[in-house]
Amino acid sequence: RKEVEQDPGPFNVPEGATVAFNCTYSNSASQSFFWYRQDCRKEPKLLMSVYSSGNEDGRFTAQLNRASQYISLLIRDSKLSDSATYLCVSLYSSASKIIFGSGTRLSIRP
Amino acid sequence: SAVISQKPSRDICQRGTSLTIQCQVDSQVTMMFWYRQQPGQSLTLIATANQGSEATYESGFVIDKFPISRPNLTFSTLTVSNMSPEDSSIYLCSVGSSGTDTQYFGPGTRLTVL
Repeated sequence: RKEVEQDPGPFNVPEGATVAFNCTYSNSASQSFFWYRQDCRKEPKLLMSVYSSGNEDGRFTAQLNRASQYISLLIRDSKLSDSATYLCVSLYSSASKIIFGSGTRLSIRP
Repeated sequence: SAVISQKPSRDICQRGTSLTIQCQVDSQVTMMFWYRQQPGQSLTLIATANQGSEATYESGFVIDKFPISRPNLTFSTLTVSNMSPEDSSIYLCSVGSSGTDTQYFGPGTRLTVL
């Protein structure tokens, strides 16, 4: 079983739709979680950190459920520019161990 | 966030040769890491580059194949040795600072081995 698992997608949704991704992690010692975005042939870029209390950044909302060991990302009012691969990341041991999920591909259609 | 550059941005190499990739950061950083991203796959951590000491390698990666240098807090190199076509991948460096868990990535080096 992978340490961080994501639905690979692709998710193909119309512009303006709300889309949600989930990510599960197996190591309960994981301390921090992030969502990264990776455009085709580009490096991953940090989208947002994920806190237990949940956090929101504009159209993006991230949630962490430690009891069930999953992280979610919600994108509201999706834009064409949101098309990318979204990578779930867990981190433990003070940044000495970082695990990337395999990514979820999102495609927004006009 | 730090500005990270990598050289070369891409290369095509012959089997059996070696390539050294450079990662330069515009500010001093505590942590530097090297990742590999094979076609259609997610990122896999190769090693943590430690300043002034040997790198810490992840399972499945060894120093003889991927020697790493980190002479100071702003620079690191990764060498892919005795390359085979299976080494064709994107190699990315990333940086982080103690006290924060966030990592930032360089633009990557796209390696093709023939």
